Amino acid sequence: GIQVEQSPPDLILQEGANSTLRCNFSDSVNNLQWFHQNPWGQLINLFYIPSGTKQNGRLSATTVATERYSLLYISSSQTTDSGVYFCAALAMGSTLGRLYFGRGTQLTVWP
Amino acid sequence: GAVVSQHPSWVICKSGTSVKIECRSLDFQATTMFWYRQFPKQSLMLMATSNEGSKATYEQGVEKDKFLINHASLTLSTLTVTSAHPEDSSFYICSARVRPGGYTFGSGTRLTVV
Repeated sequence: GIQVEQSPPDLILQEGANSTLRCNFSDSVNNLQWFHQNPWGQLINLFYIPSGTKQNGRLSATTVATERYSLLYISSSQTTDSGVYFCAALAMGSTLGRLYFGRGTQLTVWP
Repeated sequence: GAVVSQHPSWVICKSGTSVKIECRSLDFQATTMFWYRQFPKQSLMLMATSNEGSKATYEQGVEKDKFLINHASLTLSTLTVTSAHPEDSSFYICSARVRPGGYTFGSGTRLTVV
């Protein structure tokens, strides 16, 4: 399967700071997604971004498929941004839709 | 939007008993359901993929007889942890693919076996 590596593993920020999370993947992918897992365990879709750039409020993501990486940008961070951010990749040609997850970045935002 | 309702949210059971976790798709038909297990501060580990009306496909190392998955309808998939032991204590999450690029997750079940 696809190897997905995320960095940094942990990130501590003061409220208002900006950050960049990185996701590298080992093979060509059909899909790359970013999720946020809140402190209660709920996973939320952030971006479906197999290539290009998307923005949603203070969050944006860029995937450079040819270089096999994706970046998640968080601007003006808030305490509610705390949690774990996962990227997950769907292998090219996958029919069932099995995602391969990275180990995540644990983000803590302090007031 | 597409919602998967997962129950129970948490359960404590005695060692040797069985526990059933349900995931229902509320406003869509889930042809495929993914079942994950997550240990504290770790990533999601795929346990099995279930398809409506057929046997589940288990990942290597996952005991089929211990983690029984049933996907009898397009709106209900269940995971039964049989003869649970303390090492089965974990956070279990189900997920369905709603459309290309769209995955929805249940809220998770925290299982504690004592």
